Amino acid sequence: KAGVTQTPRYLIKTRGQQVTLSCSPISGHRSVSWYQQTPGQGLQFLFEYFSETQRNKGNFPGRFSGRQFSNSRSEMNVSTLELGDSALYLCASSLEGTGNQPQHFGDGTRLSIL
Amino acid sequence: KNEVEQSPQNLTAQEGEFITINCSYSVGISALHWLQQHPGGGIVSLFMLSSGKKKHGRLIATINIQEKHSSLHITASHPRDSAVYICAVRFLTGNQFYFGTGTSLTVIP
Repeated sequence: KAGVTQTPRYLIKTRGQQVTLSCSPISGHRSVSWYQQTPGQGLQFLFEYFSETQRNKGNFPGRFSGRQFSNSRSEMNVSTLELGDSALYLCASSLEGTGNQPQHFGDGTRLSIL
Repeated sequence: KNEVEQSPQNLTAQEGEFITINCSYSVGISALHWLQQHPGGGIVSLFMLSSGKKKHGRLIATINIQEKHSSLHITASHPRDSAVYICAVRFLTGNQFYFGTGTSLTVIP
Protein backbone atom coordinates (compact mmCIF):
# COMPACT_ATOMS: atom_id res chain seq x y z
CA LYS A 1 0.00 0.00 0.00
CA ALA A 2 1.51 3.32 -1.03
CA GLY A 3 2.18 5.86 1.70
CA VAL A 4 1.40 9.54 1.77
CA THR A 5 3.02 11.30 -1.17
CA GLN A 6 3.96 14.96 -1.13
CA THR A 7 5.17 16.90 -4.12
CA PRO A 8 7.43 18.62 -4.74
CA ARG A 9 10.06 17.61 -2.16
CA TYR A 10 11.98 20.87 -2.44
CA LEU A 11 10.96 24.28 -3.66
CA ILE A 12 12.69 27.65 -3.85
CA LYS A 13 10.61 30.78 -4.29
CA THR A 14 11.10 34.52 -3.87
CA ARG A 15 9.15 36.94 -1.71
CA GLY A 16 5.80 37.91 -3.12
CA GLN A 17 5.34 34.78 -5.21
CA GLN A 18 2.75 32.13 -4.54
CA VAL A 19 3.17 28.39 -4.20
CA THR A 20 1.00 25.28 -4.37
CA LEU A 21 1.92 22.07 -2.59
CA SER A 22 0.29 18.71 -3.20
CA CYS A 23 -0.52 15.77 -0.94
CA SER A 24 -1.86 12.37 -1.97
CA PRO A 25 -3.15 10.43 1.04
CA ILE A 26 -3.09 6.71 1.61
CA SER A 27 -5.82 5.03 -0.42
CA GLY A 28 -9.06 5.00 1.54
CA HIS A 29 -8.07 7.80 3.89
CA ARG A 30 -10.52 10.69 3.81
CA SER A 31 -8.82 13.09 6.22
CA VAL A 32 -5.79 15.17 5.27
CA SER A 33 -4.09 17.56 7.67
CA TRP A 34 -1.37 20.06 6.91
CA TYR A 35 1.39 21.20 9.27
CA GLN A 36 4.19 23.73 9.18
CA GLN A 37 7.49 22.96 10.89
CA THR A 38 10.11 25.61 11.58
CA PRO A 39 13.13 25.57 13.90
CA GLY A 40 11.67 28.39 15.98
CA GLN A 41 8.01 27.36 16.29
CA GLY A 42 8.22 23.59 15.87
CA LEU A 43 5.24 21.78 14.40
CA GLN A 44 2.07 23.82 14.00
CA PHE A 45 -1.30 22.79 12.67
CA LEU A 46 -2.44 24.58 9.51
CA PHE A 47 -5.75 22.97 8.56
CA GLU A 48 -7.60 19.70 8.15
CA TYR A 49 -9.79 18.56 5.29
CA PHE A 50 -12.32 15.78 5.38
CA SER A 51 -14.53 14.79 2.45
CA GLU A 52 -13.63 17.98 0.53
CA THR A 53 -14.55 20.26 3.45
CA GLN A 54 -12.22 22.20 5.70
CA ARG A 55 -13.00 20.87 9.14
CA ASN A 56 -10.46 22.73 11.27
CA LYS A 57 -8.09 25.63 10.82
CA GLY A 58 -5.05 26.67 12.82
CA ASN A 59 -3.93 30.16 13.63
CA PHE A 60 -2.40 31.18 10.30
CA PRO A 61 -3.13 34.23 8.11
CA GLY A 62 -5.50 34.05 5.18
CA ARG A 63 -2.54 33.78 2.79
CA PHE A 64 -2.54 30.10 3.68
CA SER A 65 -5.36 28.19 2.06
CA GLY A 66 -6.12 24.69 0.94
CA ARG A 67 -8.58 22.41 -0.69
CA GLN A 68 -9.38 18.75 -1.04
CA PHE A 69 -10.58 16.98 -4.13
CA SER A 70 -13.12 14.19 -4.47
CA ASN A 71 -10.30 11.60 -4.59
CA SER A 72 -9.07 12.95 -1.20
CA ARG A 73 -5.92 14.48 -2.69
CA SER A 74 -5.24 17.85 -1.15
CA GLU A 75 -3.41 21.00 -2.09
CA MET A 76 -2.30 23.90 0.00
CA ASN A 77 -1.55 27.32 -1.38
CA VAL A 78 0.46 30.15 0.09
CA SER A 79 0.14 33.54 -1.57
CA THR A 80 2.37 36.61 -1.27
CA LEU A 81 5.22 34.57 0.18
CA GLU A 82 7.25 36.03 3.05
CA LEU A 83 10.71 35.06 4.29
CA GLY A 84 9.11 33.59 7.40
CA ASP A 85 7.19 31.08 5.32
CA SER A 86 10.40 29.12 4.81
CA ALA A 87 9.62 25.82 6.46
CA LEU A 88 9.01 22.12 6.08
CA TYR A 89 5.37 21.57 5.17
CA LEU A 90 4.03 18.18 6.14
CA CYS A 91 0.76 16.54 5.39
CA ALA A 92 -0.73 13.58 7.18
CA SER A 93 -3.69 11.38 6.36
CA SER A 94 -5.96 9.23 8.45
CA LEU A 95 -9.15 7.28 7.87
CA GLU A 96 -11.64 9.62 9.51
CA GLY A 97 -9.48 12.29 11.13
CA THR A 98 -10.49 11.69 14.72
CA GLY A 99 -7.79 12.07 17.35
CA ASN A 100 -7.76 8.42 18.21
CA GLN A 101 -6.64 7.25 14.78
CA PRO A 102 -3.01 7.01 13.67
CA GLN A 103 -1.78 9.78 11.41
CA HIS A 104 0.40 8.79 8.49
CA PHE A 105 2.84 11.49 7.45
CA GLY A 106 4.40 12.28 4.12
CA ASP A 107 8.09 13.17 3.79
CA GLY A 108 7.24 16.85 3.49
CA THR A 109 7.95 19.70 1.12
CA ARG A 110 10.86 21.90 2.10
CA LEU A 111 10.07 25.46 1.00
CA SER A 112 12.79 28.08 0.93
CA ILE A 113 11.98 31.73 0.34
CA LEU A 114 14.76 33.98 -0.98
CA LYS B 1 -5.10 27.08 27.59
CA ASN B 2 -3.97 24.14 25.45
CA GLU B 3 -0.31 23.49 26.18
CA VAL B 4 2.07 20.59 25.66
CA GLU B 5 5.45 20.42 27.36
CA GLN B 6 8.21 17.94 26.61
CA SER B 7 11.41 17.17 28.46
CA PRO B 8 14.28 16.92 28.09
CA GLN B 9 14.89 19.04 25.00
CA ASN B 10 18.13 17.22 24.20
CA LEU B 11 19.36 13.83 25.33
CA THR B 12 22.62 11.98 24.70
CA ALA B 13 22.91 8.35 25.74
CA GLN B 14 25.36 5.50 25.44
CA GLU B 15 24.25 2.51 23.42
CA GLY B 16 22.35 0.10 25.63
CA GLU B 17 21.04 2.70 28.09
CA PHE B 18 17.40 2.97 29.13
CA ILE B 19 15.87 6.25 27.95
CA THR B 20 12.82 8.14 29.14
CA ILE B 21 11.18 11.12 27.43
CA ASN B 22 8.36 12.95 29.18
CA CYS B 23 5.30 14.83 27.96
CA SER B 24 2.88 16.87 30.07
CA TYR B 25 -0.27 18.61 28.91
CA SER B 26 -2.58 21.16 30.39
CA VAL B 27 -6.18 19.97 29.97
CA GLY B 28 -8.15 16.87 29.08
CA ILE B 29 -7.30 15.04 25.88
CA SER B 30 -8.96 12.56 23.57
CA ALA B 31 -5.64 11.05 22.48
CA LEU B 32 -1.88 11.41 22.73
CA HIS B 33 0.53 10.41 19.98
CA TRP B 34 4.26 9.81 20.05
CA LEU B 35 6.03 10.61 16.79
CA GLN B 36 9.57 9.97 15.59
CA GLN B 37 11.31 12.27 13.12
CA HIS B 38 14.60 11.33 11.50
CA PRO B 39 16.98 13.82 9.86
CA GLY B 40 15.51 14.69 6.47
CA GLY B 41 12.07 15.30 7.89
CA GLY B 42 9.99 12.14 7.59
CA ILE B 43 7.71 11.53 10.59
CA VAL B 44 6.58 8.13 11.77
CA SER B 45 3.76 7.60 14.23
CA LEU B 46 5.03 5.33 17.02
CA PHE B 47 2.10 5.13 19.42
CA MET B 48 -1.40 6.42 19.93
CA LEU B 49 -2.65 6.35 23.53
CA SER B 50 -5.80 7.30 25.36
CA SER B 51 -5.08 5.25 28.49
CA GLY B 52 -2.66 2.74 29.98
CA LYS B 53 0.43 1.41 28.30
CA LYS B 54 1.54 0.18 24.90
CA LYS B 55 4.66 -1.71 23.87
CA HIS B 56 6.26 -2.22 20.48
CA GLY B 57 9.62 -3.92 20.41
CA ARG B 58 12.00 -1.92 22.58
CA LEU B 59 9.62 1.03 22.84
CA ILE B 60 7.09 1.46 25.62
CA ALA B 61 4.62 4.33 25.98
CA THR B 62 2.58 5.04 29.08
CA ILE B 63 -0.02 7.63 29.93
CA ASN B 64 -1.50 8.78 33.25
CA ILE B 65 -4.75 10.59 32.48
CA GLN B 66 -5.23 11.91 36.02
CA GLU B 67 -1.76 13.45 36.12
CA LYS B 68 -1.91 14.57 32.47
CA HIS B 69 1.44 13.00 31.76
CA SER B 70 2.91 10.52 29.31
CA SER B 71 6.32 8.89 29.00
CA LEU B 72 8.11 7.22 26.12
CA HIS B 73 10.72 4.66 27.14
CA ILE B 74 13.38 3.08 24.96
CA THR B 75 15.05 -0.02 26.36
CA ALA B 76 18.52 -1.13 25.21
CA SER B 77 18.97 2.01 23.11
CA HIS B 78 20.75 1.78 19.77
CA PRO B 79 22.34 4.40 17.51
CA ARG B 80 19.50 3.91 15.01
CA ASP B 81 17.14 5.27 17.69
CA SER B 82 18.79 8.68 17.20
CA ALA B 83 15.99 10.98 16.10
CA VAL B 84 13.67 13.68 17.35
CA TYR B 85 10.73 12.38 19.37
CA ILE B 86 7.60 14.51 19.43
CA CYS B 87 4.54 14.30 21.62
CA ALA B 88 1.25 15.38 20.02
CA VAL B 89 -2.11 15.68 21.76
CA ARG B 90 -5.66 16.20 20.66
CA PHE B 91 -7.49 18.12 23.39
CA LEU B 92 -11.12 17.42 24.24
CA THR B 93 -11.90 21.03 23.42
CA GLY B 94 -11.06 21.83 19.83
CA ASN B 95 -10.24 19.41 17.09
CA GLN B 96 -6.62 19.88 16.19
CA PHE B 97 -3.26 18.52 17.27
CA TYR B 98 -0.91 20.44 19.51
CA PHE B 99 2.73 19.45 19.55
CA GLY B 100 5.53 19.41 22.08
CA THR B 101 8.81 21.04 21.10
CA GLY B 102 10.44 17.65 20.59
CA THR B 103 13.30 15.77 22.23
CA SER B 104 16.46 15.35 20.18
CA LEU B 105 17.99 11.99 21.08
CA THR B 106 21.52 10.96 20.16
CA VAL B 107 22.66 7.44 20.99
CA ILE B 108 26.43 7.01 20.90
CA PRO B 109 27.91 3.60 20.01
